[in-house]
Amino acid sequence: NAGVTQTPKFQVLKTGQSMTLQCAQDMNHEYMSWYRQDPGMGLRLIHYSVGAGITDQGEVPNGYNVSRSTTEDFPLRLLSAAPSQTSVYFCASRGGWDSSAGELFFGEGSRLTVL
Amino acid sequence: QQQVKQSPQSLIVQKGGIPIINCAYENTAFDYFPWYQQFPGKGPALLIAIRPDVSEKKEGRFTISFNKSAKQFSLHIMDSQPGDSATYFCAAVPDNYGQNFVFGPGTRLSVLP
Repeated sequence: NAGVTQTPKFQVLKTGQSMTLQCAQDMNHEYMSWYRQDPGMGLRLIHYSVGAGITDQGEVPNGYNVSRSTTEDFPLRLLSAAPSQTSVYFCASRGGWDSSAGELFFGEGSRLTVL
Repeated sequence: QQQVKQSPQSLIVQKGGIPIINCAYENTAFDYFPWYQQFPGKGPALLIAIRPDVSEKKEGRFTISFNKSAKQFSLHIMDSQPGDSATYFCAAVPDNYGQNFVFGPGTRLSVLP
């Protein structure tokens, strides 16, 4: 019972490099999202998707790209990494998109350092 | 603006104490209020949640108190244990279709043996 799986767990990049954080869920959830967690800031929404082919921006989308070609996968792309993107990134999924859908399931996180 | 305020930022209690974490919100469209628990190196996990039609919900040693008129809710941990040491996030979710979770900034709890 894998739930939400994120890779890699750790990554170090140089400024200007690009990379993709992978996220996969095996619960057939419609809703998937990416958050970043910074000290004292809580969890801030980057992008989210309510189904294959549908994505939208969250609170802090600049510098990130997403796509959703399948129900299971929701990769997050950093186009040109900046030190301000040093953070812990969490992928999360949920059965639906309204408050009746209940629990948001999180992956274990990907810690990114940009030098 | 959708925002959830959370206090205190950090909390230290002795084993057996009752830590209380408070959250407040402004948006009256919120109708689902979960609490998440996060251990170091792990993702947040749902601890307990409440809807505004009840004033209190208890699950084991964890209790949510909800005050709809004051737009405040709080988490109480009875008989706290060192294993409860974690970061706790409150959140709020609007009832409108198509909205997302809004998280508080988190409270780091340490329970001393």
